[in-house]
Amino acid sequence: ETGVTQSPTHLIKTRGQQVTLRCSSQSGHNTVSWYQQALGQGPQFIFQYYREEENGRGNFPPRFSGLQFPNYSSELNVNALELDDSALYLCASSASGRGRADSPLHFGNGTRLTVT
Amino acid sequence: GESVGLHLPTLSVQEGDNSIINCAYSNSASDYFIWYKQESGKGPQFIIDIRSNMDKRQGQRVTVLLNKTVKHLSLQIAATQPGDSAVYFCAENIGDRGSQGNLIFGKGTKLSVKP
Repeated sequence: ETGVTQSPTHLIKTRGQQVTLRCSSQSGHNTVSWYQQALGQGPQFIFQYYREEENGRGNFPPRFSGLQFPNYSSELNVNALELDDSALYLCASSASGRGRADSPLHFGNGTRLTVT
Repeated sequence: GESVGLHLPTLSVQEGDNSIINCAYSNSASDYFIWYKQESGKGPQFIIDIRSNMDKRQGQRVTVLLNKTVKHLSLQIAATQPGDSAVYFCAENIGDRGSQGNLIFGKGTKLSVKP
């Protein structure tokens, strides 16, 4: 069984630039969630995708956007990067669909984004 | 408001001892709770979960206890090993949001195991 994989593992960008992070969900999982983890903090929910549609969003501005593809892989796009966007971005997948709250998320190892 | 917090930011235990990591939550509507372990440079790894209709669940060397009366969650690790050294997060899900991916994480407890 293939786990959640993310690319790239590390990335350095300049303030104002745009970035795309990628995620392949675990085999058999149809739901993908993205989290931002600042250093020394717990992950914070950005948004979730189910059947290629956004299914819930956290307190993040519209410059954070995403996509889910028919094969359940996903992208996180961040426009107009700010210094505070520097963080570990985690992708997680699960097998449950809309409305179920009892399927644990399985996380990838994240992309470390540094904005200078 | 909604929050998940931890009583202790760091915990140091002797190898072979039992560890107990505590977590408080504030939202009585939360119906699902998960413990994750995060090692340096890695993503959170699922340990064990529990639904709100249960008060105890056991796994391999781990037990999660849920006390809904005082909104408290704990993770017990039996015979702690050096490989258990990591940051442990509790997370809660409020089912009525309709989005089980929206977990609210605490800040984490760093567990250090002394040989």
